[in-house]
Amino acid sequence: QQQVKQSPQSLIVQKGGISIINCAYENTAFDYFPWYQQFPGKGPALLIAIRPDVSEKKEGRFTISFNKSAKQFSLHIMDSQPGDSATYFCAASMNTGNQFYFGTGTSLTVIP
Amino acid sequence: EPEVTQTPSHQVTQMGQEVILRCVPISNHLYFYWYRQILGQKVEFLVSFYNNEISEKSEIFDDQFSVERPDGSNFTLKIRSTKLEDSAMYFCASSEPLWLNEQFFGPGTRLTVL
Repeated sequence: QQQVKQSPQSLIVQKGGISIINCAYENTAFDYFPWYQQFPGKGPALLIAIRPDVSEKKEGRFTISFNKSAKQFSLHIMDSQPGDSATYFCAASMNTGNQFYFGTGTSLTVIP
Repeated sequence: EPEVTQTPSHQVTQMGQEVILRCVPISNHLYFYWYRQILGQKVEFLVSFYNNEISEKSEIFDDQFSVERPDGSNFTLKIRSTKLEDSAMYFCASSEPLWLNEQFFGPGTRLTVL
């Protein structure tokens, strides 16, 4: 069973544009939703995370929007830059457990 | 900034051989994890470890896998008899006692089984 579904699989955005990546989850026990950024040959690096008690969290150009009733959350990258080109993974975990369930990843390419 | 380190960066082995992947978690972290990522696929959980014992493991983590914290700094993943399908990137992660959810990942070890 796929706990976290992520889309799109790949995304091409012009420099300065907005990148939007979406994730949906099934398990209502999840209470922590991080986004990880991964460059080729590197490990995933925590980018931003949200808990379900808020609907939005913003850190610089990165914003998570969270819709608890729809069981969806998304990552918005404003003013996308070529340096943002990477693979982005959403994930989810439960309060009582510590396993991360990762989405399938989105390969983002920002064209100069 | 503290970081998780892993060695080796790349390990090539013959099918059926044993391999040990090593990790040094962030020093004040007490929860440790192994994940794997087959090329081009998502990151998959293998096992979590706390207080010298496994706290959670996935279906992937069968009898050929084991983990150990042999001393105060290292955390190892052993694969007893490697298979071709074990070829993947293996990531170690660690987290603090109070912030279990915030896991910090190492750079990974690329395991190639021939």
